Amino acid sequence: GAVVSQHPSWVICKSGTSVKIECRSLDFQATTMFWYRQFPKQSLMLMATSNEGSKATYEQGVEKDKFLINHASLTLSTLTVTSAHPEDSSFYICSATFFGPSTDTQYFGPGTRLTVL
Amino acid sequence: EDKVVQSPLSLVVHEGDTVTLNCSYEVTNFRSLLWYKQEKKAPTFLFMLTSSGIEKKSGRLSSILDKKELFSILNITATQTGDSAIYLCAVARDSWGKFQFGAGTQVVVTP
Repeated sequence: GAVVSQHPSWVICKSGTSVKIECRSLDFQATTMFWYRQFPKQSLMLMATSNEGSKATYEQGVEKDKFLINHASLTLSTLTVTSAHPEDSSFYICSATFFGPSTDTQYFGPGTRLTVL
Repeated sequence: EDKVVQSPLSLVVHEGDTVTLNCSYEVTNFRSLLWYKQEKKAPTFLFMLTSSGIEKKSGRLSSILDKKELFSILNITATQTGDSAIYLCAVARDSWGKFQFGAGTQVVVTP
């Protein structure tokens, strides 16, 4: 079945540094991927829609200069958290839409846990 | 404003019990409703519902959508401890799979 991977699975960084998270669709092409953030005991919050070959679309309240998204190919989207601060510590999850012959659905990556010290 | 509301927020049941989880929604451009199970990591897909009144079934889990009353239910029969998880309801709002999630229902199944 369709699989989405993320790398790294967890990362610890110092405040002020930047962190890049990769999201790959392993056996299908994804023109659109999505980035979510999940704080403890809360649901997933959509951050942005990543579009292959064009600019990402950010949800209200998400700083596009802080969360840089690049979708350079049909199987890879990256999220870079720039100048990370402790309040950016969270679980970041990507997903990709799989358009099947009779149905389509969204598959999630395993997530990346970011801790900013 | 679009919203997806799940209830209850949490529940504790004994093994063998049946649980019913609810998801109501108010969204523009509804496309589909999905149920996910989340344990320690990212959500895993359970069901996608697009048509009213057609039950989807997978083992002990089943789900149905009512597009007139704008809600869906997820049933788990003969619960097992491995069913303990957070169950998320998500509504797709357009053709590109953009989802709005509910807050989730935490289910704890005790032996």
